[in-house]
Amino acid sequence: DVKVTQSSRYLVKRTGEKVFLECVQDMDHENMFWYRQDPGLGLRLIYFSYDVKMKEKGDIPEGYSVSREKKERFSLILESASTNQTSMYLCASSFGRGSLRGEQYFGPGTRLTVT
Amino acid sequence: AQKVTQAQTEISVVEKEDVTLDCVYETRDTTYYLFWYKQPPSGELVFLIRRNSFDEQNEISGRYSWNFQKSTSSFNFTITASQVVDSAVYFCALSEAKTGANNLFFGTGTRLTVIP
Repeated sequence: DVKVTQSSRYLVKRTGEKVFLECVQDMDHENMFWYRQDPGLGLRLIYFSYDVKMKEKGDIPEGYSVSREKKERFSLILESASTNQTSMYLCASSFGRGSLRGEQYFGPGTRLTVT
Repeated sequence: AQKVTQAQTEISVVEKEDVTLDCVYETRDTTYYLFWYKQPPSGELVFLIRRNSFDEQNEISGRYSWNFQKSTSSFNFTITASQVVDSAVYFCALSEAKTGANNLFFGTGTRLTVIP
């Protein structure tokens, strides 16, 4: 079974702090994704990566950055956390590019609260 | 631009009733993929099904069935004889072939509550 793990289920940070959210997948997937989920808005893509050291902006990249130094690990960074970044953060991974439309496998999510 | 609409925000049914969750999508691509995911109270999204735009065959998996109609740009999901364990938020999603990776565009979800 595919396993996507996220470093924390719950996180509380203060405004202005630097926040790292870690995601690890164990299925050698090329693609990894970070979403945030907010009530009434569904899931929105923040950043994604289709290879080591590659990153692409999603729909809402402002205020976030990412790092992918190893194939299995994809980190989301909030340089200076703000209260409007309070949300559920979901990591996902999938196999392949182009015509290989693998389904995405999701981690359990990190509920981040910024006070 | 791509778009996925799930007009039903919340649905409640009594156990053993059938229920259909609607999904309407927009895309200019001729090659695309549609997905359904389930998010139970535990929070982790669970993949249910993927269809590509060239395969309009309906699919049945146990109590679940999916009706894909390109003519109406819809990909509806029916649960037959619903059970309490079906209570969850269900998301429909679209992936277009033109994107480099398989980015998913999600609808806003439908919260299904099955009452015992």
